Amino acid sequence: QSALTQPRSVSGSPGQSVTISCTGTSTDVDAYNFVSWYQHHPGKAPKLIIYAITQRPSGVPSRFSGSKSGDTASLTISGLQAEDEGDYYCCSFRSTNPYYVFGPGTEVTVL
Amino acid sequence: QVQLQESGPGLVQAAQTLSLTCTVSGGSISSGNYYWSWIRQPAGKELEWMGRIYSSGAAIYNPFLETRVAISRDSSKNQFSLHLSSVTAADTAVYYCARLVSTLIFDFWGQGILVTVSS
Repeated sequence: QSALTQPRSVSGSPGQSVTISCTGTSTDVDAYNFVSWYQHHPGKAPKLIIYAITQRPSGVPSRFSGSKSGDTASLTISGLQAEDEGDYYCCSFRSTNPYYVFGPGTEVTVL
Repeated sequence: QVQLQESGPGLVQAAQTLSLTCTVSGGSISSGNYYWSWIRQPAGKELEWMGRIYSSGAAIYNPFLETRVAISRDSSKNQFSLHLSSVTAADTAVYYCARLVSTLIFDFWGQGILVTVSS
């Protein structure tokens, strides 16, 4: 199974912006606008923060935004806050089973 | 607010069957356009989708696991379960249950349960 590619870690100071990339292939990220992003704090349930590339569920702060260009989707956290520290995973729908593929996760550190 | 909670043994002997249950509260597993999934993450590796079951009971599995995995549901208890047979050390992972909306979005997850396969 081919996973999506994410940077292992990113960091930024409070108030800064960070962007996490998620690179796939022509059968997943490039083929569909069905990329979602999840925030995970260890020991807690992963939380959906972006779906369908750019959509934020109710209650997710507007500092989280998503985009896509070709086979790469991106998550941007603007105005970084201490509580944004954690792991972030991308997920894409695929054209063939297995229908869902995830990235390895990116650790966000607030300096 | 929908909540999911995994339960089951944290230690399974190699070659045996791993069985976990996900209890759902705040919503019925038998209604709505929802699918109920299992996802796992071995230490240091990416999340792996294992399969999903619809409210009707129809299930689809990851083909890489299809010969060993089964997902079932108990509507009377609002639970769904994972059964993974012939486990090896490679099946040691944190196992999550999650709700899948419109086949595209995992909108609610459990906090996960660590299962270790011992030899």
